[in-house]
Amino acid sequence: DSGVTQTPKHLITATGQRVTLRCSPRSGDLSVYWYQQSLDQGLQFLIQYYNGEERAKGNILERFSAQQFPDLHSELNLSSLELGDSALYFCASSVGQGTYSNQPQHFGDGTRLSIL
Amino acid sequence: GQNIDQPTEMTATEGAIVQINCTYQTSGFNGLFWYQQHAGEAPTFLSYNVLDGLEEKGRFSSFLSRSKGYSYLLLKELQMKDSASYLCAVGMEYGNKLVFGAGTILRVKS
Repeated sequence: DSGVTQTPKHLITATGQRVTLRCSPRSGDLSVYWYQQSLDQGLQFLIQYYNGEERAKGNILERFSAQQFPDLHSELNLSSLELGDSALYFCASSVGQGTYSNQPQHFGDGTRLSIL
Repeated sequence: GQNIDQPTEMTATEGAIVQINCTYQTSGFNGLFWYQQHAGEAPTFLSYNVLDGLEEKGRFSSFLSRSKGYSYLLLKELQMKDSASYLCAVGMEYGNKLVFGAGTILRVKS
């Protein structure tokens, strides 16, 4: 158990819909990261928040948005869903915002999103 | 762009030693990470290298050569439970943006 909690574990919805994925980081971790893992593209970094502020951005679509709340939990919002958005979405957390030390990211169990 | 290469699949025998290689060409570098991922599960952290050389942690060791853009993960005394995907990742920007390779599926046979 990594200590990172993601809900829901599974989500099935239809194209055009909007969903919200939730992540609670490990106790004491200030950074939250979101990743998308699909069969054809591997694990792709989407976005990082540190203590409520956006810190780094990857290949996140404009239809996707995220935020980190004062209690440090984070939500990833996916809208106008397309079939290609079907994937496993992981949240990870770490203590700091970076990085001249070995502060690894610890991953949650993921949310499996299926678009029908 | 970022390019991280790993072999797609490897097979090894229980009790043996296996080396999984990773080469990278990235616009930045702030550490190299190895993660293990069992099918359908979360990646779990194995090792981190930021300086050249070998880091040993029990049955697992990881090596880095920054000048060659090369790393390997060495697994000793293989066990069946080591069958998993092994992901090489480069830390970018301030190290927290991880760029992952496609992963190497390791199959351990008895």
